[in-house]
Amino acid sequence: NAGVTQTPKFQVLKTGQSMTLQCAQDMNHEYMSWYRQDPGMGLRLIHYSVGAGITDQGEVPNGYNVSRSTTEDFPLRLLSAAPSQTSVYFCASSTRDRMNYGYTFGSGTRLTVV
Amino acid sequence: TQLLEQSPQFLSIQEGENLTVYCNSSSVFSSLQWYRQEPGEGPVLLVTVVTGGEVKKLKRLTFQFGDARKDSSLHITAAQPGDTGLYLCAGNQFYFGTGTSLTVIP
Repeated sequence: NAGVTQTPKFQVLKTGQSMTLQCAQDMNHEYMSWYRQDPGMGLRLIHYSVGAGITDQGEVPNGYNVSRSTTEDFPLRLLSAAPSQTSVYFCASSTRDRMNYGYTFGSGTRLTVV
Repeated sequence: TQLLEQSPQFLSIQEGENLTVYCNSSSVFSSLQWYRQEPGEGPVLLVTVVTGGEVKKLKRLTFQFGDARKDSSLHITAAQPGDTGLYLCAGNQFYFGTGTSLTVIP
């Protein structure tokens, strides 16, 4: 089925470890983004990309890096994990007309940093 | 950050009842989306509204965009257990509200 695929679904990290959350979409969407979801905080934008080779920061970018070498893939890197990064992470994609089209979300990665 | 406030935060109702949830902001939005999220899954788009005063219907769900494009409401008629979930509004695709958690009791 077409859509947004996120891996892994669950991950436990120790403070200071690094890891990459993977996101891939097969809908040829130009626009991709990463959100984190915390209780009572809603979804907050971390980073986004409007196309291959172009990325920009969202509302809460500190501690995270992204790159967009292909249209399909948009990985999120945590260089040195901190307990404050414990959250559920969602990748989403949309067409260039995202205002009208809306996002397609992945099923999320639940990350715990101990 | 363009703050979107949703109310109520939690809602528990009996099957067959009607309900309305609200999404309010002090900012004007070009478009507003409503999503429903089930536990363990990502949000799924329900509707997009773009014109002030616009009303859209999706079966038993009615969505309205405020005339000034600063607020929106979602009305559910004769709620069913399958409507249970977290309802999120999003402005201009970027900014999400904190959500309304709805439980419909059979």
